[in-house]
Amino acid sequence: DARVTQTPRHKVTEMGQEVTMRCQPILGHNTVFWYRQTMMQGLELLAYFRNRAPLDDSGMPKDRFSAEMPDATLATLKIQPSEPRDSAVYFCASGSGDFNSPLHFGNGTRLTVT
Amino acid sequence: RKEVEQDPGPFNVPEGATVAFNCTYSNSASQSFFWYRQDCRKEPKLLMSVYSSGNEDGRFTAQLNRASQYISLLIRDSKLSDSATYLCVVNKNGNQFYFGTGTSLTVIP
Repeated sequence: DARVTQTPRHKVTEMGQEVTMRCQPILGHNTVFWYRQTMMQGLELLAYFRNRAPLDDSGMPKDRFSAEMPDATLATLKIQPSEPRDSAVYFCASGSGDFNSPLHFGNGTRLTVT
Repeated sequence: RKEVEQDPGPFNVPEGATVAFNCTYSNSASQSFFWYRQDCRKEPKLLMSVYSSGNEDGRFTAQLNRASQYISLLIRDSKLSDSATYLCVVNKNGNQFYFGTGTSLTVIP
């Protein structure tokens, strides 16, 4: 059963440290999305890629966040420097890019910044 | 105006009850529609797609009303295991997915 794989599952770090989250989309999917979810907010879109090209990263704080797809099997989301307000669950999702196809989510990375 | 709006609930219903959720969307160019289920501290998982003619999957029925721009989810004979947050999702052109904030359901024994 194909699935989106995210690592790490949990990350606890101190304020100011760099955090890197990784995502392996489902093989053959050409769209990748990064979302953030906190208790107070719904799913917040940070960035998305189509065919490895960033199409929209307007939801991402540019000064500290960056998202890349070095190849078709890996997407990364980096936070540098991290702040306590970045504590959240970060989800990666991938899709086939067809308008009638749903997104498939990874298990998420639960980030705590102290 | 938000792209997708849902009543956050919570909905607390007894086992065996029928419960319905509605969701409205603002963009008439929206092309496809989905309901996702999210359990506490887990990722959203696809529950079902929503087709123009309406569709059913066991106890779950989804309907789309393009004229009024809303979609609905009906759950019959609620089970304890149906307790979760239900997210309405609208898609434009395969790239733009808009998620509602979710409706919380608790099924009570």
